[in-house]
Amino acid sequence: GAGVSQSPSNKVTEKGKDVELRCDPISGHTALYWYRQSLGQGLEFLIYFQGNSAPDKSGLPSDRFSAERTGGSVSTLTIQRTQQEDSAVYLCASSLVGLIAGVSMADTQYFGPGTRLTVL
Amino acid sequence: TQLLEQSPQFLSIQEGENLTVYCNSSSVFSSLQWYRQEPGEGPVLLVTVVTGGEVKKLKRLTFQFGDARKDSSLHITAAQPGDTGLYLCAGAGAGSYQLTFGKGTKLSVIP
Repeated sequence: GAGVSQSPSNKVTEKGKDVELRCDPISGHTALYWYRQSLGQGLEFLIYFQGNSAPDKSGLPSDRFSAERTGGSVSTLTIQRTQQEDSAVYLCASSLVGLIAGVSMADTQYFGPGTRLTVL
Repeated sequence: TQLLEQSPQFLSIQEGENLTVYCNSSSVFSSLQWYRQEPGEGPVLLVTVVTGGEVKKLKRLTFQFGDARKDSSLHITAAQPGDTGLYLCAGAGAGSYQLTFGKGTKLSVIP
């Protein structure tokens, strides 16, 4: 498949457990984004990766959230000690270019289908 | 903080009717995008507008960017059941890769 893929599609966990969500971006896309979409809310920016630059973590809601991107491709979003308010759909998106010649610019973002996380 | 307000939040109409969805902000955006999201899927980009006053048409969908680049509208003519979904607007500030999303308009078109 040529699109962004995410796994698992659904995850049910107990409060206090750690979870890992995976994102496989479109091959060749250097920029990768994580968003959270809660019921009745818009997409909330979490973190942004661009090439080898330091990620923009400004959207992470707490230090229980972390993400990494290995080899400039696959990314993993980790939530430690999950809370019920973490329940949401976690969306990943990738784009061709996030940074051109030192100037940030938004490019078309292609979204994965999301992971629906339910914390009991 | 840039905010985008979408209205209405919910819209249920009969097949064949026309509708308009609004996206408003007090901030200026360098570009604005409209996405459509179906249940269980991620948002899919419909259009990007970048010039104040710009109008783009995509079949029965007409998108307009306000002259001041603070607001946008999406007009659907003769809505079809296949238009059902969540419509999201998202704005990008000047020199920013981040998108600010509205909360969306959930459209239901009844056959």
